[in-house]
Amino acid sequence: AQKITQTQPGMFVQEKEAVTLDCTYDTSDPSYGLFWYKQPSSGEMIFLIYQGSYDQQNATEGRYSLNFQKARKSANLVISASQLGDSAMYFCAMREGSSGYSTLTFGKGTMLLVSP
Amino acid sequence: ETGVTQTPRHLVMGMTNKKSLKCEQHLGHNAMYWYKQSAKKPLELMFVYSLEERVENNSVPSRFSPECPNSSHLFLHLHTLQPEDSALYLCASSQSATGESYEQYFGPGTRLTVT
Repeated sequence: AQKITQTQPGMFVQEKEAVTLDCTYDTSDPSYGLFWYKQPSSGEMIFLIYQGSYDQQNATEGRYSLNFQKARKSANLVISASQLGDSAMYFCAMREGSSGYSTLTFGKGTMLLVSP
Repeated sequence: ETGVTQTPRHLVMGMTNKKSLKCEQHLGHNAMYWYKQSAKKPLELMFVYSLEERVENNSVPSRFSPECPNSSHLFLHLHTLQPEDSALYLCASSQSATGESYEQYFGPGTRLTVT
């Protein structure tokens, strides 16, 4: 079974609107972390936001927020007020356990296109 | 230089060549990673170095050989590659401590084409 599932291969949104990118995960480890990364066409992976499994509140970073629903094992990324520069691939990733380094499992990604 | 840098950015090599990819992090991190990103596949973790020791090797063929001479530098030595090894190779680093989880910072990648 896939550990990270991103069911939306592509999403379209108009500038200034909000968009939600879906991510579900599968783990039996009680300690885990969830990450979202953005990959523009240049190739570099840019860290956006992190949610720990024991965090009580949803993470927020500027226009990015993570809708964490632990019982449903979902960690959707919400981008408010989309900008043209948000057009990119978005990857959800998970870290399991609490080892001294961070091994991530990535989903297949969602391509977001923001139109004027 | 800031963040994580990778050289070269683009590399074309024949199947009989030997080349090396270089990664340098300027963030004071103590863990470094190599990933492979092929078209239409999720990122695949290849190697992990923590405190300059290799801690993970995810069934990577021996034609890929990593080297971590210090906490700031990571190399990936390539020899007798196959066309299916053509991909974007990404390096990342993180500051890790037991019980914590720090995000990984990625370099811009090396686009490798094997002819």
